[in-house]
Amino acid sequence: KQEVTQIPAALSVPEGENLVLNCSFTDSAIYNLQWFRQDPGKGLTSLLLIQSSQREQTSGRLNASLDKSSGRSTLYIAASQPGDSATYLCAVTHGNNRLAFGKGNQVVVIP
Amino acid sequence: ETGVTQSPTHLIKTRGQQVTLRCSSQSGHNTVSWYQQALGQGPQFIFQYYREEENGRGNFPPRFSGLQFPNYSSELNVNALELDDSALYLCASSLHSLGHTEAFFGQGTRLTVV
Repeated sequence: KQEVTQIPAALSVPEGENLVLNCSFTDSAIYNLQWFRQDPGKGLTSLLLIQSSQREQTSGRLNASLDKSSGRSTLYIAASQPGDSATYLCAVTHGNNRLAFGKGNQVVVIP
Repeated sequence: ETGVTQSPTHLIKTRGQQVTLRCSSQSGHNTVSWYQQALGQGPQFIFQYYREEENGRGNFPPRFSGLQFPNYSSELNVNALELDDSALYLCASSLHSLGHTEAFFGQGTRLTVV
């Protein structure tokens, strides 16, 4: 069974600092890994998709890396802003196109 | 904003009742998956529908059932509601292709069982 863990569960950073969010998974037989953003009580917004053959993906201030063999991914958010405050979820796609999620990193950016 | 829409956005039901949640998938997508997200937890996979057939199921009892229609929209039905069914229910649409495609989520339906 695929287990996804996100550390830390919650963090607060001052505005302007870089954010580093970690995700680990137990079974390296994944098709891809997605990072999502979730605002309180809302649905999920896809941020980045990394295919299993890729090492990283970038979109604006966001950069995600993937080390499939060691079962790790890291999401970097440069120069954080108060609008980045949200919960960030990592999910891996495995077997039958289903997603296995971590519990999320709850981020607060302090102005 | 994704093209995935869910209805209703909120509802309150009484224990023992039945509920139907609806999802319209993004244009061009043929696969719909449903997830349950309890407060403070990550979403848990309920089941997936592809070409109107169930294509994988998570660890949920048979009182959770679903349908997919020819236009790829989908319903999630829950019978004999229990208090623990209170959660955010998320629908995701994707294009069935050996798991390499991006999943797009709707805004969710918040179900409260009292």
